[in-house]
Amino acid sequence: KNEVEQSPQNLTAQEGEFITINCSYSVGISALHWLQQHPGGGIVSLFMLSSGKKKHGRLIATINIQEKHSSLHITASHPRDSAVYICAVHENYNTDKLIFGTGTRLQVFP
Amino acid sequence: NAGVTQTPKFQVLKTGQSMTLQCAQDMNHNSMYWYRQDPGMGLRLIYYSASEGTTDKGEVPNGYNVSRLNKREFSLRLESAAPSQTSVYFCASKFGNYEQYFGPGTRLTVT
Repeated sequence: KNEVEQSPQNLTAQEGEFITINCSYSVGISALHWLQQHPGGGIVSLFMLSSGKKKHGRLIATINIQEKHSSLHITASHPRDSAVYICAVHENYNTDKLIFGTGTRLQVFP
Repeated sequence: NAGVTQTPKFQVLKTGQSMTLQCAQDMNHNSMYWYRQDPGMGLRLIYYSASEGTTDKGEVPNGYNVSRLNKREFSLRLESAAPSQTSVYFCASKFGNYEQYFGPGTRLTVT
């Protein structure tokens, strides 16, 4: 069964800083997901990626399949980016059941 | 499109009571999921349904039952609630190999 580790668990930043959140997993996968959980509790999917890099606005997600590692970057961080960021991977190649990390809590101060 | 909706938003139960959490999606998605989220732990899968008429156990199914009533609706039932089932419950759905869409969550407290 896949295991997912995220780091750091908590992160504080000043507005404008470049943010990096890391995710490592133990078993080869078909895809990795990054999700954002707002302070109010709602969860939205940010990225689903199986190789390389994806960009959406100020968010960039990268994945290294050989090293079983992914990073989520936020450029020019803003207080509205304050949220919990969650990494999730498929349990194994043969299922679409997801295993979730415990999340990284980000606070961006003005 | 309302997306994924869940009812109720909040619920308090006494130990031993039963209740059903409702979930519906209007995106014509095939797959639907129920998760629970507890402090310090990642989301954990309770049950999922790959298509109408099928359901399968996830990581933590004990104490729960599910019904995939039709393509839109997937309900989660607690037959005899226990304090260990105090949690936030999320329903999600997806189409094919794409990302999951989550409902707003139900905060359940069992006293």
